Amino acid sequence: QVQLQESGPGLVKPSETLSLSCTFSGGSIRGYYWSWIRQPPGKGMEWIGYIYYNGSTKYNPSLKSRVAISVDSSKTQFSLKVRSVTAADTAVYYCARHLGVSTYFDPWGQGTLVRVSS
Amino acid sequence: QSVLTQPPSVSGAPGQRVTISCTGSSSNIGAAYDVHWYQHLPGTAPKLLIYGNTNRPSGVPDRFSGSKSGTSASLAITGLQAEDEADYFCQSYDTAMSASVFGGGTKLTVL
Repeated sequence: QVQLQESGPGLVKPSETLSLSCTFSGGSIRGYYWSWIRQPPGKGMEWIGYIYYNGSTKYNPSLKSRVAISVDSSKTQFSLKVRSVTAADTAVYYCARHLGVSTYFDPWGQGTLVRVSS
Repeated sequence: QSVLTQPPSVSGAPGQRVTISCTGSSSNIGAAYDVHWYQHLPGTAPKLLIYGNTNRPSGVPDRFSGSKSGTSASLAITGLQAEDEADYFCQSYDTAMSASVFGGGTKLTVL
């Protein structure tokens, strides 16, 4: 049973870089896509981007210029960086696994709240 | 403003049937991309409820069912139970955005 867990600072200052990690257990990175998704307070989910197990990435065009997703050498953790954050980046951030570019996400992590505030 | 449109809330009494709609466009649901549904309790991981428009993962009761037609999809819940009270949201893929897209979520209240 694959399990995902997000971790990182809960508070980031405006204009700084938001950095989160997603640790997965119970399975292999191979053959899957690994995405970051966020939900601002009171709003719907927004897909941020994914990394494929071979290292290729794709990002939401609305965030592409500020986002980077990478996987660590241990292949048990992948990370998200969002540069130049503003209050609009305040959200619960989730990581999730999927089999294809357009397929469903399963499982998800429980999410971590990140607030952007000075 | 979410790409897929859902009603903000629905409600029903125990034992009743409710439906939640998910309306898209010709670049996502109408472009033959599958619709998936999730159940979400705040503070927990979203749970996959329906995948590929109509399919239930193992362990999801058959009280939950999905359908799709044209540029819309629906989630139906029959025999409502108190434990069904949660947020429900839909997901598909948008070819114009080259991105997975979501509905804004619907809060189900069991009266």
